[in-house]
Amino acid sequence: AQSVTQLGSHVSVSEGALVLLRCNYSSSVPPYLFWYVQYPNQGLQLLLKYTTGATLVKGINGFEAEFKKSETSFHLTKPSAHMSDAAEYFCAVTLPGRGSTLGRLYFGRGTQLTVWP
Amino acid sequence: DTEVTQTPKHLVMGMTNKKSLKCEQHMGHRAMYWYKQKAKKPPELMFVYSYEKLSINESVPSRFSPECPNSSLLNLHLHALQPEDSALYLCASSQRTAADTQYFGPGTRLTVL
Repeated sequence: AQSVTQLGSHVSVSEGALVLLRCNYSSSVPPYLFWYVQYPNQGLQLLLKYTTGATLVKGINGFEAEFKKSETSFHLTKPSAHMSDAAEYFCAVTLPGRGSTLGRLYFGRGTQLTVWP
Repeated sequence: DTEVTQTPKHLVMGMTNKKSLKCEQHMGHRAMYWYKQKAKKPPELMFVYSYEKLSINESVPSRFSPECPNSSLLNLHLHALQPEDSALYLCASSQRTAADTQYFGPGTRLTVL
């Protein structure tokens, strides 16, 4: 069974501080991994994804994430938080291959990021 | 263009009404999705269409009826909804492999009175 755990439903940082949002997954096969951001009353926007290749992935808005297979983790980081980063962040996984799971995204419960001035 | 559009943005309906949500994409994607999202929760998958055929139905009540008239359009027909069906309904689309990004629309905020 596939599952995604996001540690911390709320994370607060000061503007300019490091942002670290944690994501761990459980999967029977190496999954594809995604981070999405959702601003209030909007849809989800892809920040970055990992499918194959380089395990350090750079995304939009200065975010990056590293796939660590041994730790089954895909934590999201940004060196310096900006007020505009305040939003809900979702980690998600999907499985490669075919079958009934194709196209199915498994989401974590989300992490609300607050950025203080 | 990586845009998925959804109409209407907001919808208020009574429990006896019939209404429809519309989703459109022109990216040539062959998979389209409906999600339901309650406040402070992740999206919950409702339906997946692949090449205009329904491939996943997550045991959604029959008062929700999806339709995919062509590869660019996805509708969600609503009838006899309950107040607990009030939520943000998100549409998404992707190419047909698991590695492909799902692009989400802005959603329709539905309120059932």
